[in-house]
Amino acid sequence: DSGVTQTPKHLITATGQRVTLRCSPRSGDLSVYWYQQSLDQGLQFLIQYYNGEERAKGNILERFSAQQFPDLHSELNLSSLELGDSALYFCASNAGDTSTDTQYFGPGTRLTVL
Amino acid sequence: QKEVEQDPGPLSVPEGAIVSLNCTYSNSAFQYFMWYRQYSRKGPELLMYTYSSGNKEDGRFTAQVDKSSKYISLFIRDSQPSDSATYLCAVTRGGGNKLTFGTGTQLKVEL
Repeated sequence: DSGVTQTPKHLITATGQRVTLRCSPRSGDLSVYWYQQSLDQGLQFLIQYYNGEERAKGNILERFSAQQFPDLHSELNLSSLELGDSALYFCASNAGDTSTDTQYFGPGTRLTVL
Repeated sequence: QKEVEQDPGPLSVPEGAIVSLNCTYSNSAFQYFMWYRQYSRKGPELLMYTYSSGNKEDGRFTAQVDKSSKYISLFIRDSQPSDSATYLCAVTRGGGNKLTFGTGTQLKVEL
Protein backbone atom coordinates (compact mmCIF):
# COMPACT_ATOMS: atom_id res chain seq x y z
CA ASP A 1 0.00 0.00 0.00
CA SER A 2 1.60 3.27 -1.18
CA GLY A 3 -0.49 5.46 1.10
CA VAL A 4 -2.03 7.29 -1.87
CA THR A 5 -5.78 6.81 -2.18
CA GLN A 6 -8.00 7.35 -5.19
CA THR A 7 -11.76 7.24 -5.61
CA PRO A 8 -13.74 5.90 -7.29
CA LYS A 9 -12.07 2.70 -8.47
CA HIS A 10 -14.29 2.39 -11.51
CA LEU A 11 -16.38 4.91 -13.38
CA ILE A 12 -18.66 4.20 -16.32
CA THR A 13 -20.28 7.11 -18.06
CA ALA A 14 -21.54 8.30 -21.43
CA THR A 15 -20.02 10.57 -24.04
CA GLY A 16 -20.54 14.25 -23.33
CA GLN A 17 -20.71 13.79 -19.58
CA ARG A 18 -18.48 15.24 -16.84
CA VAL A 19 -16.75 13.29 -14.06
CA THR A 20 -14.54 14.09 -11.08
CA LEU A 21 -11.71 11.87 -9.90
CA ARG A 22 -10.35 12.29 -6.38
CA CYS A 23 -6.89 11.70 -4.95
CA SER A 24 -5.50 11.93 -1.43
CA PRO A 25 -1.69 12.05 -1.26
CA ARG A 26 0.51 10.27 1.26
CA SER A 27 0.63 11.92 4.64
CA GLY A 28 3.08 14.82 4.51
CA ASP A 29 3.40 14.95 0.73
CA LEU A 30 2.75 18.36 -0.78
CA SER A 31 2.88 17.48 -4.46
CA VAL A 32 0.30 15.60 -6.50
CA TYR A 33 0.80 14.41 -10.07
CA TRP A 34 -1.90 13.11 -12.41
CA TYR A 35 -1.15 10.57 -15.14
CA GLN A 36 -3.27 8.92 -17.80
CA GLN A 37 -2.57 5.37 -18.92
CA SER A 38 -4.09 4.11 -22.14
CA LEU A 39 -3.20 1.02 -24.14
CA ASP A 40 -1.72 2.93 -27.05
CA GLN A 41 -0.03 5.84 -25.19
CA GLY A 42 1.31 4.29 -22.02
CA LEU A 43 1.62 6.43 -18.89
CA GLN A 44 1.40 10.12 -19.78
CA PHE A 45 1.85 13.02 -17.40
CA LEU A 46 -1.14 15.36 -17.24
CA ILE A 47 -0.58 17.95 -14.51
CA GLN A 48 1.19 18.61 -11.20
CA TYR A 49 0.13 20.59 -8.15
CA TYR A 50 2.34 21.62 -5.29
CA ASN A 51 0.84 22.89 -2.06
CA GLY A 52 -2.29 24.12 -3.79
CA GLU A 53 -0.63 25.72 -6.80
CA GLU A 54 -0.30 24.39 -10.33
CA ARG A 55 3.37 23.65 -10.96
CA ALA A 56 3.58 21.89 -14.31
CA LYS A 57 1.35 20.91 -17.19
CA GLY A 58 1.80 18.03 -19.58
CA ASN A 59 -0.41 16.66 -22.30
CA ILE A 60 -3.64 17.71 -20.65
CA LEU A 61 -6.62 18.49 -22.82
CA GLU A 62 -8.48 21.78 -22.39
CA ARG A 63 -11.56 19.73 -21.43
CA PHE A 64 -9.64 18.50 -18.39
CA SER A 65 -8.85 20.54 -15.30
CA ALA A 66 -7.55 19.89 -11.82
CA GLN A 67 -7.14 21.55 -8.48
CA GLN A 68 -5.54 20.89 -5.12
CA PHE A 69 -7.38 21.87 -1.98
CA PRO A 70 -6.04 23.26 1.34
CA ASP A 71 -6.10 19.75 2.85
CA LEU A 72 -3.88 18.73 -0.11
CA HIS A 73 -6.29 16.34 -1.73
CA SER A 74 -6.68 16.84 -5.45
CA GLU A 75 -9.46 16.46 -7.97
CA LEU A 76 -9.23 15.89 -11.70
CA ASN A 77 -12.26 17.06 -13.65
CA LEU A 78 -12.94 15.61 -17.07
CA SER A 79 -15.71 17.17 -19.15
CA SER A 80 -17.35 16.66 -22.56
CA LEU A 81 -16.09 13.11 -22.39
CA GLU A 82 -15.21 11.25 -25.56
CA LEU A 83 -14.70 7.55 -26.20
CA GLY A 84 -10.95 8.13 -26.38
CA ASP A 85 -10.87 9.38 -22.80
CA SER A 86 -11.41 5.83 -21.60
CA ALA A 87 -8.25 5.00 -19.66
CA LEU A 88 -6.72 4.42 -16.26
CA TYR A 89 -6.08 7.63 -14.37
CA PHE A 90 -3.43 7.57 -11.67
CA CYS A 91 -2.34 10.12 -9.19
CA ALA A 92 1.04 10.05 -7.52
CA SER A 93 2.53 12.07 -4.71
CA ASN A 94 5.83 13.08 -3.18
CA ALA A 95 7.30 15.88 -1.12
CA GLY A 96 7.66 17.89 -4.33
CA ASP A 97 10.95 19.48 -3.47
CA THR A 98 14.56 18.61 -4.28
CA SER A 99 14.79 16.05 -1.49
CA THR A 100 13.17 13.28 -3.46
CA ASP A 101 12.17 12.36 -6.97
CA THR A 102 10.43 9.08 -6.40
CA GLN A 103 6.69 9.22 -6.80
CA TYR A 104 4.22 6.93 -5.08
CA PHE A 105 1.20 5.92 -7.09
CA GLY A 106 -2.36 5.32 -6.07
CA PRO A 107 -4.44 2.34 -7.25
CA GLY A 108 -5.99 4.33 -10.08
CA THR A 109 -9.47 5.09 -11.38
CA ARG A 110 -10.62 3.13 -14.41
CA LEU A 111 -12.79 5.35 -16.59
CA THR A 112 -14.98 3.82 -19.27
CA VAL A 113 -16.80 6.16 -21.63
CA LEU A 114 -19.61 4.51 -23.59
CA GLN B 1 11.39 10.09 -31.38
CA LYS B 2 10.12 9.17 -27.93
CA GLU B 3 12.13 10.44 -24.97
CA VAL B 4 12.24 6.95 -23.47
CA GLU B 5 12.26 3.76 -25.52
CA GLN B 6 11.46 0.38 -24.02
CA ASP B 7 10.90 -2.98 -25.68
CA PRO B 8 7.25 -3.84 -24.97
CA GLY B 9 7.78 -7.60 -25.04
CA PRO B 10 6.02 -9.76 -24.10
CA LEU B 11 8.90 -11.62 -22.52
CA SER B 12 8.37 -15.19 -21.30
CA VAL B 13 11.01 -16.96 -19.20
CA PRO B 14 11.13 -20.14 -17.09
CA GLU B 15 11.18 -19.90 -13.31
CA GLY B 16 14.68 -19.32 -11.98
CA ALA B 17 15.93 -17.51 -15.09
CA ILE B 18 17.79 -14.21 -15.07
CA VAL B 19 15.72 -11.49 -16.68
CA SER B 20 17.16 -8.41 -18.34
CA LEU B 21 14.92 -5.42 -19.03
CA ASN B 22 16.24 -2.36 -20.82
CA CYS B 23 15.42 1.23 -21.69
CA THR B 24 17.16 3.98 -23.58
CA TYR B 25 16.56 7.69 -23.20
CA SER B 26 17.44 10.60 -25.42
CA ASN B 27 17.81 13.64 -23.16
CA SER B 28 20.93 14.01 -21.01
CA ALA B 29 18.95 16.35 -18.73
CA PHE B 30 17.41 13.27 -17.14
CA GLN B 31 19.38 12.61 -13.99
CA TYR B 32 17.24 10.22 -11.94
CA PHE B 33 16.06 6.79 -12.95
CA MET B 34 13.41 4.48 -11.61
CA TRP B 35 11.87 1.12 -12.24
CA TYR B 36 8.25 0.46 -11.41
CA ARG B 37 6.37 -2.83 -11.42
CA GLN B 38 2.72 -2.84 -12.40
CA TYR B 39 0.44 -5.80 -11.93
CA SER B 40 -2.59 -5.95 -14.18
CA ARG B 41 -4.90 -2.98 -13.62
CA LYS B 42 -3.05 -1.90 -10.46
CA GLY B 43 -1.02 1.18 -9.64
CA PRO B 44 2.70 1.23 -10.48
CA GLU B 45 4.85 0.14 -7.53
CA LEU B 46 8.33 1.59 -7.08
CA LEU B 47 11.05 -1.09 -7.30
CA MET B 48 14.35 0.71 -7.72
CA TYR B 49 15.63 4.30 -7.74
CA THR B 50 19.09 5.40 -8.87
CA TYR B 51 20.69 8.75 -9.63
CA SER B 52 24.15 7.91 -10.87
CA SER B 53 25.86 5.63 -13.31
CA GLY B 54 26.64 2.20 -11.92
CA ASN B 55 24.77 -0.61 -10.25
CA LYS B 56 22.34 -0.68 -7.36
CA GLU B 57 21.25 -3.96 -5.85
CA ASP B 58 18.19 -4.79 -3.75
CA GLY B 59 17.62 -8.47 -3.13
CA ARG B 60 17.04 -10.24 -6.43
CA PHE B 61 16.88 -6.92 -8.32
CA THR B 62 19.79 -4.94 -9.76
CA ALA B 63 19.38 -1.60 -11.50
CA GLN B 64 22.13 -0.46 -13.82
CA VAL B 65 22.60 2.99 -15.32
CA ASP B 66 25.05 4.07 -18.02
CA LYS B 67 24.63 7.80 -18.49
CA SER B 68 27.26 7.97 -21.22
CA SER B 69 25.17 5.75 -23.49
CA LYS B 70 21.82 6.79 -21.98
CA TYR B 71 20.98 3.21 -21.19
CA ILE B 72 19.25 1.79 -18.13
CA SER B 73 18.66 -1.82 -17.19
CA LEU B 74 16.91 -3.91 -14.58
CA PHE B 75 18.09 -7.44 -13.85
CA ILE B 76 15.97 -9.94 -11.96
CA ARG B 77 17.77 -13.00 -10.59
CA ASP B 78 16.06 -16.28 -9.76
CA SER B 79 12.82 -15.07 -11.32
CA GLN B 80 9.58 -16.25 -9.74
CA PRO B 81 6.03 -16.55 -11.11
CA SER B 82 5.12 -13.70 -8.76
CA ASP B 83 7.46 -11.48 -10.81
CA SER B 84 5.03 -11.73 -13.73
CA ALA B 85 3.98 -8.13 -14.33
CA THR B 86 4.69 -5.13 -16.53
CA TYR B 87 7.94 -3.34 -15.75
CA LEU B 88 8.13 0.38 -16.46
CA CYS B 89 11.28 2.44 -16.57
CA ALA B 90 10.93 6.10 -15.65
CA VAL B 91 13.26 9.06 -15.86
CA THR B 92 13.15 12.57 -14.47
CA ARG B 93 15.19 15.77 -14.38
CA GLY B 94 14.75 15.87 -10.64
CA GLY B 95 13.67 18.67 -8.33
CA GLY B 96 10.09 17.47 -8.14
CA ASN B 97 9.61 17.25 -11.88
CA LYS B 98 7.32 14.85 -13.71
CA LEU B 99 8.29 11.30 -14.58
CA THR B 100 8.64 10.27 -18.21
CA PHE B 101 7.87 6.58 -18.67
CA GLY B 102 8.80 3.92 -21.14
CA THR B 103 5.93 1.96 -22.60
CA GLY B 104 6.58 -0.97 -20.25
CA THR B 105 7.77 -4.54 -20.80
CA GLN B 106 5.32 -7.32 -20.06
CA LEU B 107 7.07 -10.21 -18.29
CA LYS B 108 5.73 -13.70 -17.69
CA VAL B 109 7.64 -16.17 -15.53
CA GLU B 110 6.44 -19.70 -16.13
CA LEU B 111 6.63 -22.71 -13.83
